[in-house]
Amino acid sequence: SAVISQKPSRDICQRGTSLTIQCQVDSQVTMMFWYRQQPGQSLTLIATANQGSEATYESGFVIDKFPISRPNLTFSTLTVSNMSPEDSSIYLCSVGGSGANVLTFGAGSRLTVL
Amino acid sequence: LAKTTQPISMDSYEGQEVNITCSHNNIATNDYITWYQQFPSQGPRFIIQGYKTKVTNEVASLFIPADRKSSTLSLPRVSLSDTAVYYCLVGDRGSTLGRLYFGRGTQLTVWP
Repeated sequence: SAVISQKPSRDICQRGTSLTIQCQVDSQVTMMFWYRQQPGQSLTLIATANQGSEATYESGFVIDKFPISRPNLTFSTLTVSNMSPEDSSIYLCSVGGSGANVLTFGAGSRLTVL
Repeated sequence: LAKTTQPISMDSYEGQEVNITCSHNNIATNDYITWYQQFPSQGPRFIIQGYKTKVTNEVASLFIPADRKSSTLSLPRVSLSDTAVYYCLVGDRGSTLGRLYFGRGTQLTVWP
């Protein structure tokens, strides 16, 4: 299965600032997915990032708040803009694995917004 | 996507077999049942997947009755390192890849 590297692994940010999370995959993939996991909660899909097209956002998530880039088949970034304490979460990048509904996840980026 | 219901938490002791049952009453004909494991500070990790009857791999077994409205993840002889959150998901092959509903999962705590 693919190996995913995410940076940063964790960060503490000030309210009103923005942070960009990077996701690097060791193989070329068509779709990359960004999830959010709030403290003590399950995972929620933010958006699907396809190379060469605009990301597709899930209900409740908008491009202005979570802009995504997908410059090539191995890399994507997610920016959390104008952060507030409610954005404190783990943000996870994932790609499809070998099989139906099989995803490989990165270790996640834990953001704390003060 | 079919929703799932699992116990919020379970406790076990080292060396015991643990069975976590998931209900998915609205599972569709084309849906597969997939289980993930998540350790603290890590992303979820795929454990096992099945469609019907029984599936076994080096990590776990998955039992699915004929009506497929539930499934049971069986972890043989658990150790402390099996302490994690276990998620049961159902979905069809490929068409909703990535748009998976993880639910709250089951927090399994293994005690010495």
